[in-house]
Amino acid sequence: KNQVEQSPQSLIILEGKNCTLQCNYTVSPFSNLRWYKQDTGRGPVSLTIMTFSENTKSNGRYTATLDADTKQSSLHITASQLSDSASYICVVRKQAGTALIFGKGTTLSVSS
Amino acid sequence: GAGVSQSPSNKVTEKGKDVELRCDPISGHTALYWYRQSLGQGLEFLIYFQGNSAPDKSGLPSDRFSAERTGGSVSTLTIQRTQQEDSAVYLCASSPGLAEDTQYFGPGTRLTVL
Repeated sequence: KNQVEQSPQSLIILEGKNCTLQCNYTVSPFSNLRWYKQDTGRGPVSLTIMTFSENTKSNGRYTATLDADTKQSSLHITASQLSDSASYICVVRKQAGTALIFGKGTTLSVSS
Repeated sequence: GAGVSQSPSNKVTEKGKDVELRCDPISGHTALYWYRQSLGQGLEFLIYFQGNSAPDKSGLPSDRFSAERTGGSVSTLTIQRTQQEDSAVYLCASSPGLAEDTQYFGPGTRLTVL
């Protein structure tokens, strides 16, 4: 069964600290993996996209990694800010068709 | 430019009523997607439109759900005889057209069925 599992379910950190969110998937065949940020009451916004051949990609303070062999991805947030408080969703696309498999997300709260 | 817009932002209806949700994609985007996000759950794919091709309806949960896209732009998701389990946030996304393109999401419509 094609699944995307994210951990932790929720996370609270102090402003300025770093954190790492995990995504494990069983989707096959794999096309690409995206991380989205979803602010409360808003639609998801794409942060990064990685294909099979890429193992790291950065977008400002966000760095995503991908290990296609172990089917694991992580999103590392550096020097967190209050505005980073949101849900972070891992999304995997299968190679054929339009199917996107969404994780349930990790809710991050950054406190001052 | 303007992003994806959806209306209404909130909809409260009684069980058994029909509802229509509207999505205005980004101008020029040929691909349009509808998703459902239930409380504590990940996004669930519902339907995909690409240009003039037949839509991919594989995600629609029952025949009470249908969607149209008129003139290749605005889309309407219709839920007939709503049930309480239909309560969710319904998200629309559009992309320039290729399957690999980034999808740009609207703010969603929160549907509550009493």
